[in-house]
Amino acid sequence: AQKITQTQPGMFVQEKEAVTLDCTYDTSDPSYGLFWYKQPSSGEMIFLIYQGSYDQQNATEGRYSLNFQKARKSANLVISASQLGDSAMYFCAMRGLMNRDDKIIFGKGTRLHILP
Amino acid sequence: KAGVTQTPRYLIKTRGQQVTLSCSPISGHRSVSWYQQTPGQGLQFLFEYFSETQRNKGNFPGRFSGRQFSNSRSEMNVSTLELGDSALYLCASRVAATSGYNEQFFGPGTRLTVL
Repeated sequence: AQKITQTQPGMFVQEKEAVTLDCTYDTSDPSYGLFWYKQPSSGEMIFLIYQGSYDQQNATEGRYSLNFQKARKSANLVISASQLGDSAMYFCAMRGLMNRDDKIIFGKGTRLHILP
Repeated sequence: KAGVTQTPRYLIKTRGQQVTLSCSPISGHRSVSWYQQTPGQGLQFLFEYFSETQRNKGNFPGRFSGRQFSNSRSEMNVSTLELGDSALYLCASRVAATSGYNEQFFGPGTRLTVL
């Protein structure tokens, strides 16, 4: 069965510092995709970054990068130079890419607080 | 390009009633998925529709149902509402429901409160 684990329920980080949000996963699919979403207090889920299991390089999108360690089954999100607007819930998610049962599953989330 | 829209944004119902939520995907997107988000259970997958057919279903009772129309708009229905159905219901769309990467874009959600 697929599973996503986010072990940090909450984090407090000083503005302008870098922050790493942890995510580990478990799957038997040989091919899968890993996602990170941001959910501000408004409720909308905002797509941040994607990493395919066979991608050779770690994904980057602006201030977001994904530290993908396949052997350790981890896909940590790194936010550089944090900003007050980064305060939100962050969800790690995964989708198997090889079969029809490819529904996306989410971790429990990490609530990030950026301090001024 | 307009994003995913969901109506209504807020809804208050009483136990035993039924409710219908609506989702309009991004233009050109043919797949629509529904999720329930609660503080206790987190984000849980309800079902996915593609080309008017349900292609995947989560572990929810039969009171939860959905459908998709030919224009890709989708509706979700919950019958005989229970207090535990109070949640944020999120809809997401993607281009196609084929294996392979295509990111999902979420709507703002419908917050349902059952009294």
